[in-house]
Amino acid sequence: NAGVTQTPKFRVLKTGQSMTLLCAQDMNHEYMYWYRQDPGMGLRLIHYSVGEGTTAKGEVPDGYNVSRLKKQNFLLGLESAAPSQTSVYFCASTQSGGPTGTQYFGPGTRLLVL
Amino acid sequence: AQSVTQLGSHVSVSEGALVLLRCNYSSSVPPYLFWYVQYPNQGLQLLLKYTSAATLVKGINGFEAEFKKSETSFHLTKPSAHMSDAAEYFCAVSVSGYSTLTFGKGTMLLVSP
Repeated sequence: NAGVTQTPKFRVLKTGQSMTLLCAQDMNHEYMYWYRQDPGMGLRLIHYSVGEGTTAKGEVPDGYNVSRLKKQNFLLGLESAAPSQTSVYFCASTQSGGPTGTQYFGPGTRLLVL
Repeated sequence: AQSVTQLGSHVSVSEGALVLLRCNYSSSVPPYLFWYVQYPNQGLQLLLKYTSAATLVKGINGFEAEFKKSETSFHLTKPSAHMSDAAEYFCAVSVSGYSTLTFGKGTMLLVSP
C-alpha cells in the first residue's frame, strides 16, 4: 500500500514551458487535492476533486488546470510556467465527505521555474 | 470565510521542556480543527483533529490540543520535547462539506539538547 505518490519529485522548467504533475493514490479515496507550499505562506489549495470526472477551484487556481479521468489519479497542469509558480506542490486525498476527513499527503514535487 | 493564525513562525525549546504552539481560528460556523506535522523534505501527516466530540484531543507522539471556543483557540502542547519533535507544524480549519482545509502559515519547532 503506497498511499499517495507524486511524480516527478523535482523538475526545472524555463518560463513558458508546460508540464504535468501526476498524483496517484491506492486507497480508493473519493476526494483529491492539490496544494502549493511557499515559505512563510503555509499550504494553499489550488484545485480539488470530489470524484472521478469532477474538479473545482481552490484558493489559488490561476495558471493551473487539473483533470481527474481516473479515480486514483489527479493531474495538475501548468500550460505556460512562470517564475511565480516556483514552489513545492503537494497532493492529498481523503475518503470522507464532510469537514472532518483526514487528508493523506504525498511527498511533494519541487518545481523551479527559471 | 474561515482563517487560521499561528503565532510565532519559529519556536525554540530545550529537550525535555514544555512545547506550546499557538493557533487561533476565525470562522462563522462551527469549525473542525487539525494539526499536521511536516518533517524535513516530507509530506504532511495528521497529528490530531477536533471534530466536536471532545474539547481535549490527544494525538500521536504525546501531543494534545484543547479546543476553547471562548478564546477561538486550538493550541498544541506536549509536556516534554524530544529531539525528534523538530519539524514544522501546521494548524488548519475545515468547514466545508468537501474536507477542504485552510492552513495557517506554520510554526517551525526547534529543539536543542
